[in-house]
Amino acid sequence: GAGVSQSPSNKVTEKGKDVELRCDPISGHTALYWYRQSLGQGLEFLIYFQGNSAPDKSGLPSDRFSAERTGGSVSTLTIQRTQQEDSAVYLCASSHGKGDTQYFGPGTRLTVL
Amino acid sequence: GENVEQHPSTLSVQEGDSAVIKCTYSDSASNYFPWYKQELGKRPQLIIDIRSNVGEKKDQRIAVTLNKTAKHFSLHITETQPEDSAVYFCAAMDPGNQFYFGTGTSLTVIP
Repeated sequence: GAGVSQSPSNKVTEKGKDVELRCDPISGHTALYWYRQSLGQGLEFLIYFQGNSAPDKSGLPSDRFSAERTGGSVSTLTIQRTQQEDSAVYLCASSHGKGDTQYFGPGTRLTVL
Repeated sequence: GENVEQHPSTLSVQEGDSAVIKCTYSDSASNYFPWYKQELGKRPQLIIDIRSNVGEKKDQRIAVTLNKTAKHFSLHITETQPEDSAVYFCAAMDPGNQFYFGTGTSLTVIP
């Protein structure tokens, strides 16, 4: 079946603008994860959804970051008033359930000028 | 919270030799440890994983070992091939289902 998809694949924005990143998980996967990967770095955990609920939002870097998931499927990660340090690849992953294998999307490369 | 450390950060081996990458974790309650391979510009792909009730798992040329007492786990790649060249990440999942990744190991297999 189709894998995890993300859009847009690339986003260039000006400092101070808001951006919205989208993740479409694998159909039937109840768990969804957002990560941030800076150039040459590891994956930084941002937030995890089980269904539509995010049990712990403490991984979000600042209050400019928010995420939601509706209908137990699509998720959006919103970054308000973007800063240059927000530039990174934002990866989404989904899994069938808690603790199951995660499958990653292709990522959204965000560049804040 | 959980803290995962990964070593080495870079590793070069001759084709046919073995490669070993090690990770340590801090939360003894973590119970799931996947390894991912990420080629340049591509998404991470799961290559092998292990759960806390198992000490070793093998899949062809790839194996993972887990020492719960010492809180470390290792990836072993035997008979390395040039296509094994990539960045490898370890991860640990805590009881809250949050994943913590190591900083990655850039593996280069020299033909």
